[in-house]
Amino acid sequence: KAGVTQTPRYLIKTRGQQVTLSCSPISGHRSVSWYQQTPGQGLQFLFEYFSETQRNKGNFPGRFSGRQFSNSRSEMNVSTLELGDSALYLCASSLELAGGRGYEQYFGPGTRLTVT
Amino acid sequence: GESVGLHLPTLSVQEGDNSIINCAYSNSASDYFIWYKQESGKGPQFIIDIRSNMDKRQGQRVTVLLNKTVKHLSLQIAATQPGDSAVYFCAERRKAAGNKLTFGGGTRVLVKP
Repeated sequence: KAGVTQTPRYLIKTRGQQVTLSCSPISGHRSVSWYQQTPGQGLQFLFEYFSETQRNKGNFPGRFSGRQFSNSRSEMNVSTLELGDSALYLCASSLELAGGRGYEQYFGPGTRLTVT
Repeated sequence: GESVGLHLPTLSVQEGDNSIINCAYSNSASDYFIWYKQESGKGPQFIIDIRSNMDKRQGQRVTVLLNKTVKHLSLQIAATQPGDSAVYFCAERRKAAGNKLTFGGGTRVLVKP
């Protein structure tokens, strides 16, 4: 089956602008999580959406927001971009396995955002 | 606070040898520990996971060991191949926190031919 897809793959924006990134999870996965990856801070959790509701949130300012649609596709938005927002933004889709067998979580290729 | 970290930032290994990547964690409430591999230009790729009530799990050429007494996690790669060159991350998950993963800083593995 198809993996996690993210669009666009690359993006260049100017300070002060806003940006919207999109993620389509694996078919059947209802949970979508977003992460920011930078050389200095590593992989940091932004938020998780499950059944169109934000279930968990990391320690990022309110400029970072997201949403999930009824088909489980998710978008994240960053308003008033700062230079420090330059990063690889990763989306992961998750499925809880039945019978307590754990879960599976798969990442997309990411969107490389550059803020100038 | 909770944290997941790695001891070695870079590991050079001869092709065919075994690799061991280590990780320390501080949150004793973690339910799952997961290892990811990330190649340049790609997202993290799931390798193997282990539940907190286990101490060892094996996959294809990989073994994860969990020592809860000292809060230590390791990934062993048997017969390391050039395709194993990548950055490896350990991550922890607590069911109470949904699917949030807390990642370590990563270890780069370089396989020498």
